[in-house]
Amino acid sequence: DTGVSQNPRHKITKRGQNVTFRCDPISEHNRLYWYRQTLGQGPEFLTYFQNEAQLEKSRLLSDRFSAERPKGSFSTLEIQRTEQGDSAMYLCASSPNRGFSYGYTFGSGTRLTVV
Amino acid sequence: TQLLEQSPQFLSIQEGENLTVYCNSSSVFSSLQWYRQEPGEGPVLLVTVVTGGEVKKLKRLTFQFGDARKDSSLHITAAQPGDTGLYLCAGARGSGTYKYIFGTGTRLKVLA
Repeated sequence: DTGVSQNPRHKITKRGQNVTFRCDPISEHNRLYWYRQTLGQGPEFLTYFQNEAQLEKSRLLSDRFSAERPKGSFSTLEIQRTEQGDSAMYLCASSPNRGFSYGYTFGSGTRLTVV
Repeated sequence: TQLLEQSPQFLSIQEGENLTVYCNSSSVFSSLQWYRQEPGEGPVLLVTVVTGGEVKKLKRLTFQFGDARKDSSLHITAAQPGDTGLYLCAGARGSGTYKYIFGTGTRLKVLA
């Protein structure tokens, strides 16, 4: 297993454009999470899937943000009409449905820069 | 308002020194995890603690969960340059949730 894969690693976009990021979790993990991290801060929770169901969505996530996990496999995070404040590292993590000890396995993230 | 406050925010020490990083909250957590993150990468899980008062050791790292499950500490003995990174604590509230809230982070630099 190659771990959690995120693409692209870096994205530079102009303000107002739409962007989409992809996350491929560890295949046997049924939970998938999206976090956002700005420089020097801890990750902030955005949303969480169990299989294909989106179980929780942070109030941080405005209507411009949407996430999907069709068929409970990979997930996408789309940001519409990007703003400079959206510039951050977007992290995806997955975990098994077997209790707390296993923790999250994070991907390397997608760094978004909005110019 | 940050649920989990970490201190210190920054720490620069010489190789061989000992250090302690603290993670504090006014909330009770059902479990707490520690991660280390290197630049340009995602956090990597170090340990999970579940029981109040629990102590876990990972080589030169010692983790403790507070008796009331509101705080935790990470102690590193004889720090090495390879310990350099951002240390993050993360807590889960409630027995049925697997959503972790991350702390503010402690950036550690160990000088050779």
